[in-house]
Amino acid sequence: AQRVTQPEKLLSVFKGAPVELKCNYSYSGSPELFWYVQYSRQRLQLLLRHISRESIKGFTADLNKGETSFHLKKPFAQEEDSAMYYCALIGDSSYKLIFGSGTRLLVRP
Amino acid sequence: KAGVTQTPRYLIKTRGQQVTLSCSPISGHRSVSWYQQTPGQGLQFLFEYFSETQRNKGNFPGRFSGRQFSNSRSEMNVSTLELGDSALYLCASSWDGSYEQYFGPGTRLTVT
Repeated sequence: AQRVTQPEKLLSVFKGAPVELKCNYSYSGSPELFWYVQYSRQRLQLLLRHISRESIKGFTADLNKGETSFHLKKPFAQEEDSAMYYCALIGDSSYKLIFGSGTRLLVRP
Repeated sequence: KAGVTQTPRYLIKTRGQQVTLSCSPISGHRSVSWYQQTPGQGLQFLFEYFSETQRNKGNFPGRFSGRQFSNSRSEMNVSTLELGDSALYLCASSWDGSYEQYFGPGTRLTVT
């Protein structure tokens, strides 16, 4: 079964601290993995995709196939990073996004 | 380029009624997906349409249906509404062959 697990409902850090949002997945093949972000009163938007290997807004995510993880990291958190973050996968060449339950990141001043 | 638009933004219906939600994708996008977002179940995939054909379907009862028009606009319909159908319904579109989905603002459906 395809599943995405985000173990933390809430992650609270101080401004300037490193951030790591955890994501583990269950899928037998090679999925496409994504991080989506939803800022307050805004629509869900794509933050990054594992195959692009880009750094967006200072965030990076590395796919670890051995540990089936796709953790999102940022070395120095900013207050504007406060938002809801969702990890998601697509498998079986479908267009069906399977989302984790989300982690709310709160960056305190 | 205009983003994905959804109408209406808010809707209040009574149990047993039916409802139709509309989604206009980004120009040029031919794939449209629908998701239900609730506090308890999170984001769940409903279905995906491409070129007026349902290509993928999630695990929702037959009361949930959809369609896509030749201009790629899509509608979803929920018949015989139940209290548990109260949710934010999100539409997303993507380019043909791309897995990157762009989301609309959603329609907030409240069933009383």
